[in-house]
Amino acid sequence: AQKVTQAQTEISVVEKEDVTLDCVYETRDTTYYLFWYKQPPSGELVFLIRRNSFDEQNEISGRYSWNFQKSTSSFNFTITASQVVDSAVYFCALSGVSGGYNKLIFGAGTRLAVHP
Amino acid sequence: GAGVSQSPSNKVTEKGKDVELRCDPISGHTALYWYRQSLGQGLEFLIYFQGNSAPDKSGLPSDRFSAERTGGSVSTLTIQRTQQEDSAVYLCASRLLAGAYNEQFFGPGTRLTVL
Repeated sequence: AQKVTQAQTEISVVEKEDVTLDCVYETRDTTYYLFWYKQPPSGELVFLIRRNSFDEQNEISGRYSWNFQKSTSSFNFTITASQVVDSAVYFCALSGVSGGYNKLIFGAGTRLAVHP
Repeated sequence: GAGVSQSPSNKVTEKGKDVELRCDPISGHTALYWYRQSLGQGLEFLIYFQGNSAPDKSGLPSDRFSAERTGGSVSTLTIQRTQQEDSAVYLCASRLLAGAYNEQFFGPGTRLTVL
């Protein structure tokens, strides 16, 4: 079975704080992809990053960074110097070879509130 | 270019009525997906279409749910005899090709409320 767990339901921070959103996954697939999506108040899911199971290099994009560790089945997302515009619900997701890489299995999401 | 569009944006219906939700994928995208986002269940996969292949319906919660995709483009999700537990946001996504190397682009969703 495939499963994605985002243990943090809600996080509240003050602007300029760093914040890390946790994601832990379970899969029996040896080949899989991990994703992060952002859902702002407007409701549309916005793609942030895709990482395949063979690439454990960390990635940085501006204030965003991702830490993928297969040993702990985790794919955590850090926002550095958070801003009010980062307020949204963030979803971690998984798609594996057993599903033809088509079905996205989502975590429950983490609601991030950044206060001025 | 234009993104994925969905209509209507909001739908309120009475229990027992049928509803149709529409999705217009990004032009040229061959794969189309439906998901449901509800308070109790989070984001769930419902069905996907890839070209002319038979759709993967494994996520549809009951036989009251069906979907079709005409001409490899527009898709309609139909819910018959709606129940209150069908209330949710229905999200459509499209992808250039099914498979691993490209992401799914999501539409704004249709919020369905069953009274």
